[in-house]
Amino acid sequence: GQQLNQSPQSMFIQEGEDVSMNCTSSSIFNTWLWYKQDPGEGPVLLIALYKAGELTSNGRLTAQFGITRKDSFLNISASIPSDVGIYFCAGRPGGSEKLVFGKGMKLTVNP
Amino acid sequence: DAGVTQSPTHLIKTRGQQVTLRCSPISGHKSVSWYQQVLGQGPQFIFQYYEKEERGRGNFPDRFSARQFPNYSSELNVNALLLGDSALYLCASSAERGGLYNEQFFGPGTRLTVL
Repeated sequence: GQQLNQSPQSMFIQEGEDVSMNCTSSSIFNTWLWYKQDPGEGPVLLIALYKAGELTSNGRLTAQFGITRKDSFLNISASIPSDVGIYFCAGRPGGSEKLVFGKGMKLTVNP
Repeated sequence: DAGVTQSPTHLIKTRGQQVTLRCSPISGHKSVSWYQQVLGQGPQFIFQYYEKEERGRGNFPDRFSARQFPNYSSELNVNALLLGDSALYLCASSAERGGLYNEQFFGPGTRLTVL
């Protein structure tokens, strides 16, 4: 099935460091979303973006909807141990409720 | 308020069997979507149901079917199970059929293992 190109696939960082990840698509999306998934749980919505160029923050998280509508990035500042998990980007095409997900980025934070 | 609930949590079946997974959406939400998440991958869209009718279908074979009940809960059925059907099956609910800001909230999933 269709998946977005999400990178990097994994990151190992020290507590307090910042981390960035991005997602690209060959198709245009009307909405970009970022989810976090912990082991044994479903994805939890972190940030939703609805307009090209939009920059949105949620605490230490900042995400942007790319101008071309084909990409998005997520930045986590001053990481803490509970940031550990898998981060997924997802796009929603116009006229559809179907979400298309990336493969995920596994984040490990060393205390 | 309770989030999306799914049952059972885990399930083990053998090839060729049939399975039914259940989902209760967030109170007040009318739309339910189902996703399959294979280990190491992102979720893949299977179905969306709104007001008891199928409103979207992903690229899955006819062995996969679903329905939505008057109380907006939903069941996903998979017939003639294959080894490749082993995955985490996620249910997501949203308030309406579509539109901006109509985000999907996921349940914890049902882990299906096919032997």
